[in-house]
Amino acid sequence: KNEVEQSPQNLTAQEGEFITINCSYSVGISALHWLQQHPGGGIVSLFMLSSGKKKHGRLIATINIQEKHSSLHITASHPRDSAVYICAVFQGAQKLVFGQGTRLTINP
Amino acid sequence: DAGVTQSPTHLIKTRGQQVTLRCSPKSGHDTVSWYQQALGQGPQFIFQYYEEEERQRGNFPDRFSGHQFPNYSSELNVNALLLGDSALYLCASSLVQGHQETQYFGPGTRLLVL
Repeated sequence: KNEVEQSPQNLTAQEGEFITINCSYSVGISALHWLQQHPGGGIVSLFMLSSGKKKHGRLIATINIQEKHSSLHITASHPRDSAVYICAVFQGAQKLVFGQGTRLTINP
Repeated sequence: DAGVTQSPTHLIKTRGQQVTLRCSPKSGHDTVSWYQQALGQGPQFIFQYYEEEERQRGNFPDRFSGHQFPNYSSELNVNALLLGDSALYLCASSLVQGHQETQYFGPGTRLLVL
């Protein structure tokens, strides 16, 4: 079993839909990253959080440390949101352990 | 302000050969981490360099080695290449301040081993 599990692995939705991607982890962590990876490989950090909730534009990330669970939400989804979304947890000071990613496709 | 840069962008090698990948961190960053991402998988941590020394290492064989230079740039070397080493190799930089810092990723080097 992977230390970081994401669901779903693939998600297809229509433009405008509310999107939720889930991340569960089995190890003790100090913080969690949500990352976005576009075709071609470039990775962009969306959020780093260790408690509560963060919001940036149409993106919202929440984390529940006790339940070892985090969610990434996208409101009013748009085709340009199509990408792979990766959850990664910090083990130790700077080592990241990654989930397998969720491939999101938003159709116009 | 240049972000993290990696070279080359693509590389084709044959089994048994050796390869060197390069990474320049974001300006002001002193820590470089390397990751291997196989097709359809999430990245796997290879190792991390700080102050020209390897600080942490993931579950990779000794064929994978690295180096950090005084200007904080870094190299990843892989010897005796195997077909299974074909992957996207990502470099990420950050600034060590005793706690977790956002890591900034480079565009990656896509390695194909034939």
